[in-house]
Amino acid sequence: AQSVTQPDIHITVSEGASLELRCNYSYGATPYLFWYVQSPGQGLQLLLKYFSGDTLVQGIKGFEAEFKRSQSSFNLRKPSVHWSDAAEYFCAVGAGYGGSQGNLIFGKGTKLSVKP
Amino acid sequence: DAGVIQSPRHEVTEMGQEVTLRCKPISGHDYLFWYRQTMMRGLELLIYFNNNVPIDDSGMPEDRFSAKMPNASFSTLKIQPSEPRDSAVYFCASSFRRKGHEQYFGPGTRLTVT
Repeated sequence: AQSVTQPDIHITVSEGASLELRCNYSYGATPYLFWYVQSPGQGLQLLLKYFSGDTLVQGIKGFEAEFKRSQSSFNLRKPSVHWSDAAEYFCAVGAGYGGSQGNLIFGKGTKLSVKP
Repeated sequence: DAGVIQSPRHEVTEMGQEVTLRCKPISGHDYLFWYRQTMMRGLELLIYFNNNVPIDDSGMPEDRFSAKMPNASFSTLKIQPSEPRDSAVYFCASSFRRKGHEQYFGPGTRLTVT
């Protein structure tokens, strides 16, 4: 069965520091991959997605993610974190071949705290 | 587009009462999802629909929960009777197959059952 692992439950970084959030997935074919962000009291917002092509994808709010097939990873990065980036981040993979099942498999999330 | 609309945003009810949560998906989307989020269990998929037809309801916790999608622009999640352990934030999301199933989430309904 497909799964998504986010190894870090909670990460704290200083404002202005770089950020990398890890995501590993289990799936044989090329997956559809997503990163979502959830600010406190809000719904999930799509940050970026990967379907095919260039393995480095750019998203909103200055985030990017790199798909590495050999490592089954889709890590999220940001070169300089702002206090407003404090939130919970979810990695997800489309279920079924090419996301054909229609639903997404979500990781358990990584909570990001930002120190001033 | 207004995005996914959920109502009510907050609901406080007493144990044993019926609760109905409502969702209006983004126009043109052909999938609709209901999720529940708690501190203990995280984000759980309850049920999802494709073209108004339930596809997978294996996440529905028990028979007290039911969901319907009578048309492409409206869905309900009903809990009858409600219990304190149903307290959670319930999210509705919608997606469009031809856009790779990226899901758009509503703001959620915070349900408190006392």
